[in-house]
Amino acid sequence: AQSVTQLGSHVSVSEGALVLLRCNYSSSVPPYLFWYVQYPNQGLQLLLKYTSAATLVKGINGFEAEFKKSETSFHLTKPSAHMSDAAEYFCAVTWNSGNTPLVFGKGTRLSVIA
Amino acid sequence: ETGVTQTPRHLVMGMTNKKSLKCEQHLGHNAMYWYKQSAKKPLELMFVYSLEERVENNSVPSRFSPECPNSSHLFLHLHTLQPEDSALYLCASSQDRGPGDTQYFGPGTRLTVL
Repeated sequence: AQSVTQLGSHVSVSEGALVLLRCNYSSSVPPYLFWYVQYPNQGLQLLLKYTSAATLVKGINGFEAEFKKSETSFHLTKPSAHMSDAAEYFCAVTWNSGNTPLVFGKGTRLSVIA
Repeated sequence: ETGVTQTPRHLVMGMTNKKSLKCEQHLGHNAMYWYKQSAKKPLELMFVYSLEERVENNSVPSRFSPECPNSSHLFLHLHTLQPEDSALYLCASSQDRGPGDTQYFGPGTRLTVL
């Protein structure tokens, strides 16, 4: 079955440090990949998505992710963490194969330390 | 109002109560979704509607009953729930059900079943 794995349920970084949130997927067909962010008491907001165009995808709030087919990965990065980046981040994947649902990872909670 | 709205934001109900969750999207989308978000678990897709027709029901217990009277509104009717049904219920919408179509989420309804 198709799936997505987020390594690390909790990541803690210092303000100004690099943010790296990991996402790996399993798929036998080309995937469509998404990163969403969820702030406390809010719904999910799209950060960025990969839909088979450029492998380096830039999103909102300075985040970007790179699709690496050979590694089946779609890691999320930001060069310099800000306190406002503290939130839960979800990687999600779907496929162009019928009406395949969006499959979410379990999420990674990002803490930013002053 | 813009985006996807959900009411109520918080709901506490007994196991014998009947209540309804409401979702409204102001984006002109054709597809709407109900998700369940529980602690430590990935988002679970419950129901999908496309052009007001239910197209997917992921083995959800019959105590959850969806209704989509038009393309802008989606309801989730609840009756005789169990304590394990306590969760955040998220509504989402997308332009269509294509793999590249971004899903836009509402803020959710935090449901507590006593």
